[in-house]
Amino acid sequence: GENVEQHPSTLSVQEGDSAVIKCTYSDSASNYFPWYKQELGKRPQLIIDIRSNVGEKKDQRIAVTLNKTAKHFSLHITETQPEDSAVYFCAASITGNQFYFGTGTSLTVIP
Amino acid sequence: EADIYQTPRYLVIGTGKKITLECSQTMGHDKMYWYQQDPGMELHLIHYSYGVNSTEKGDLSSESTVSRIRTEHFPLTLESARPSHTSQYLCASRRVGEQYFGPGTRLTVT
Repeated sequence: GENVEQHPSTLSVQEGDSAVIKCTYSDSASNYFPWYKQELGKRPQLIIDIRSNVGEKKDQRIAVTLNKTAKHFSLHITETQPEDSAVYFCAASITGNQFYFGTGTSLTVIP
Repeated sequence: EADIYQTPRYLVIGTGKKITLECSQTMGHDKMYWYQQDPGMELHLIHYSYGVNSTEKGDLSSESTVSRIRTEHFPLTLESARPSHTSQYLCASRRVGEQYFGPGTRLTVT
């Protein structure tokens, strides 16, 4: 089955700086890559996703890039704010039937 | 309001008991999922369903069962609870695109 690795496991940045989280996947058939944000004690919520026919997608301060050849994708958060502090999970899916999640990155934005 | 609901939200139960965790969604989604997640850790797929009368096993399915008799309802049953089952259980649903997660059931087995 698919194996998704996520790095780093923890990340601290100063408010206003950028944060980058990277994930790799093993199955070249994976074609849908969502990113979830999970605040303490709350449910995961989708923040951005990308499909395999697209190399980059942006939504305000958040962007995701995908390199199909290298089988890796990254989350970029610019101008970080304290409310960005949370655990972020990447995931990979083949046709949306099964989702394989990364191990999570705990992001702390220091005011 | 369209949403995904889970009950109970918290459950403390003794070893050996049979328990059913409920999940319902009002969005008409055909695909539904159960995940196990320890606090702040990765999500592990337990079971999923493509639609009514369809269920598939995930990586952690061996000690639980699910059923999908109605589109909106996807209960998870542990036949004999063990302390190793102590965790948070998240239900999710989707049609196309993103998964919507329920609020979770935090289970403690003593």
